[in-house]
Amino acid sequence: KAGVTQTPRYLIKTRGQQVTLSCSPISGHRSVSWYQQTPGQGLQFLFEYFSETQRNKGNFPGRFSGRQFSNSRSEMNVSTLELGDSALYLCASSLVASGGAYEQYFGPGTRLTVT
Amino acid sequence: QQPVQSPQAVILREGEDAVINCSSSKALYSVHWYRQKHGEAPVFLMILLKGGEQKGHDKISASFNEKKQQSSLYLTASQLSYSGTYFCGTESNNAGNMLTFGGGTRLMVKP
Repeated sequence: KAGVTQTPRYLIKTRGQQVTLSCSPISGHRSVSWYQQTPGQGLQFLFEYFSETQRNKGNFPGRFSGRQFSNSRSEMNVSTLELGDSALYLCASSLVASGGAYEQYFGPGTRLTVT
Repeated sequence: QQPVQSPQAVILREGEDAVINCSSSKALYSVHWYRQKHGEAPVFLMILLKGGEQKGHDKISASFNEKKQQSSLYLTASQLSYSGTYFCGTESNNAGNMLTFGGGTRLMVKP
């Protein structure tokens, strides 16, 4: 089975621009979670989607948004980019929707650099 | 609230053992362990549910003490491939796939 794929792998944007990142989960997985990883703040939960609905949301400003399509693929969008948004953005897919007990598998991430 | 991992870093020789701890101030439903190598994505190791069960495969095992809200990851007879940063991710309820990660423990195994 193919793993979680994320595109693009690297991205350089300018402050004020917006960006869209894509994540394709493992086949059959219906839950997709997004995380931001930075040296200072570590791994932080952004949001989780299941059946095209946002089920959980972390403590991030409204500039961060996402969506999930009927084929479980997910996108996240960051508008009005700030320098502090530079990070590795990881998505993780999980087989079952109800949480806690199910393994999450991470994709390789998208490295976003904001200049 | 973020779980606390200890130690922050550890250096081992091949064949030595290590224990990494993850403590939370909140009641936990599950604890997930991951290993991340530099420049790569976190790799799933194991998941433990409340109930105090212990799990393991190969020479890596983990326990979950529900009363103390603490999990420990045990690495025995360490190999060079064990080097990396270990993260615990916790969930306090069965509400969805949202993990709160600890700050990580850097493990380096030397020949």
